[in-house]
Amino acid sequence: SQKIEQNSEALNIQEGKTATLTCNYTNYSPAYLQWYRQDPGRGPVFLLLIRENEKEKRKERLKVTFDTTLKQSLFHITASQPADSATYLCALPFQTGANNLFFGTGTRLTVIP
Amino acid sequence: EAQVTQNPRYLITVTGKKLTVTCSQNMNHEYMSWYRQDPGLGLRQIYYSMNVEATDKGDVPEGYKVSRKEKRNFPLILESPSPNQTSLYFCASSLGPTGRGRTDTQYFGPGTRLTVL
Repeated sequence: SQKIEQNSEALNIQEGKTATLTCNYTNYSPAYLQWYRQDPGRGPVFLLLIRENEKEKRKERLKVTFDTTLKQSLFHITASQPADSATYLCALPFQTGANNLFFGTGTRLTVIP
Repeated sequence: EAQVTQNPRYLITVTGKKLTVTCSQNMNHEYMSWYRQDPGLGLRQIYYSMNVEATDKGDVPEGYKVSRKEKRNFPLILESPSPNQTSLYFCASSLGPTGRGRTDTQYFGPGTRLTVL
């Protein structure tokens, strides 16, 4: 069965630094991968999608890479700010069966002023 | 404003007392889904619906029921709640099924925190 691992439960970084979050997956080759942001007590909000034929995708201070050989996606936030503190989830489409996304457990990012 | 709404936002109930959590979206999305989120386990899909009168089980359907009589509404029903159903529940919708070959992003509701005593 599919498995998604996000590198750590929690990550603390200093304001202004680049945060790098990792999403590893096993057992299949997804056509794309999505990243969501979730604030405490609220629903996830879509941030970025990267397809299997794209190496990198950017949106403002966010950058996502997708290495289908390593079965890994990296999510970068440059010039991090305290407002970036949240939990970040990666999600992959199911390979077969139910049409939906399979979510990782998330990495809780804290940006320290 | 495009949104997914859920009610109630918070609910404390007792074992065995039937309850319904409502979900509504105003984006004319075909696809709707229910998730539960638990510490260390992440988001797990309970049920999904591809359109009116078309529902199917997700990863953790036991103890839950759903219905889709109208496109905009997708209520989650707990016929006989138990303490292991204490969780944070999210409804989500997307334009179409978010499976292989499709990339429709999911829009989540604000969540319903359920406690079953």
